[in-house]
Amino acid sequence: NAGVTQTPKFRILKIGQSMTLQCTQDMNHNYMYWYRQDPGMGLKLIYYSVGAGITDKGEVPNGYNVSRSTTEDFPLRLELAAPSQTSVYFCASRLEGAYEQYFGPGTRLTVT
Amino acid sequence: TQLLEQSPQFLSIQEGENLTVYCNSSSVFSSLQWYRQEPGEGPVLLVTVVTGGEVKKLKRLTFQFGDARKDSSLHITAAQPGDTGLYLCAGAWYGRGSTLGRLYFGRGTQLTVWP
Repeated sequence: NAGVTQTPKFRILKIGQSMTLQCTQDMNHNYMYWYRQDPGMGLKLIYYSVGAGITDKGEVPNGYNVSRSTTEDFPLRLELAAPSQTSVYFCASRLEGAYEQYFGPGTRLTVT
Repeated sequence: TQLLEQSPQFLSIQEGENLTVYCNSSSVFSSLQWYRQEPGEGPVLLVTVVTGGEVKKLKRLTFQFGDARKDSSLHITAAQPGDTGLYLCAGAWYGRGSTLGRLYFGRGTQLTVWP
């Protein structure tokens, strides 16, 4: 099993550009999450999904969108990128009934 | 406002020393988890505690969940350079119809152990 994979690893965007951060898991987990991590701030939940076709907002959803068409994939869309979205983004997944979340390696995004 | 407060934020010690990291909240959690994160990687789970007063050991690491399930501590004995990393605590609720298990993270403690 590859676990949770994320692409790209790094990306630089100009203000106003859009992009999609990809996340895939091969563990058949129904729960998936997107977090952002800023220095000294821990991880903040952006969006989450409890299964294909079901998504909801977390603590900091503004400026982002998600979709969940399959169990495996949970892409995060940034529309009209802003400097405040400069961060490291982590995708995670969890099996229903289990405590542990498995994290991907992260995408480091810079918006200039 | 931060739901979980971790202290200290930074810790720099010599190899062989002992240390304790604290994670405190005014809220009661169903479970509390400790993660360790290395540069350029995602957090990796160290332990989950679910019962008030629970103590778990992982080699030189000892984790404790407070009796009221509002706080936790991580104690490392005889720290080694390989223990260097960012330690994150995270709390979750599972009850009252919510099985989402959302994690609320503390800001983390950056530990550096010097040889």
